[in-house]
Amino acid sequence: QVQLQESGPGLVKPSQTLSLTCTVSGASISSGNYYWSWIRQHPGKGLEWIGYIYYNGRPYFIPSLKSRVTFSVDTSKNQFSLRLSSVTAADTAIYYCATDKSGSFANFDYWGQGIQVIVSS
Amino acid sequence: DIQMTQSPSSLSASVGDRVTITCQASQDISNYLNWYQQKPGKAPKLLIYGASNLETGVPSRFSGSGSGTDFTFTISSLQPEDIATYHCQQHDDLPLTFGGGTKVEIK
Repeated sequence: QVQLQESGPGLVKPSQTLSLTCTVSGASISSGNYYWSWIRQHPGKGLEWIGYIYYNGRPYFIPSLKSRVTFSVDTSKNQFSLRLSSVTAADTAIYYCATDKSGSFANFDYWGQGIQVIVSS
Repeated sequence: DIQMTQSPSSLSASVGDRVTITCQASQDISNYLNWYQQKPGKAPKLLIYGASNLETGVPSRFSGSGSGTDFTFTISSLQPEDIATYHCQQHDDLPLTFGGGTKVEIK
């Protein structure tokens, strides 16, 4: 059973960079068996997939965030991370990390509990 | 991007009622459609994949159907523990996209 846990600051100032980490247990990021995704949910809204990263492959980002987002993987800590630069109030959301147990990026079987991020001065 | 239009955005029904939610894709996505249940304060949970396949352990009162652009999610007999928001998600093409969600409440 794969378990995911997000961590990072809950409050970020406008124009700064948001950094979140997802710690994985029950699976090895370096095994190459999973795609690792980030998904966010704006207050009272639906879900927005941000993109995925494979342990050694090229990441995919949604076009609207492509210029501001970076993904990375730390295989030594079994973690993957999201960095979102130049944040505004529109980036206030709950951020989830998630993955597909079948090894594709299509279904999200495993989720972290989510981390609330507020962008405010 | 493929747009997913879910309706209604919210509904109120009585325990035991049949509840139906629809999801329409802006283009043909075959059966590459998933349904998730999200209870308040929790992460979503995958209920149905491939439009009609029930995830292991999910009660049989949940079902899904459809292909192409039009999909339906049904709760055959609404239970108090089904109070949640339900989301559809397509995986036919990148970027993966979700519907706006349907909040289900008990009348």
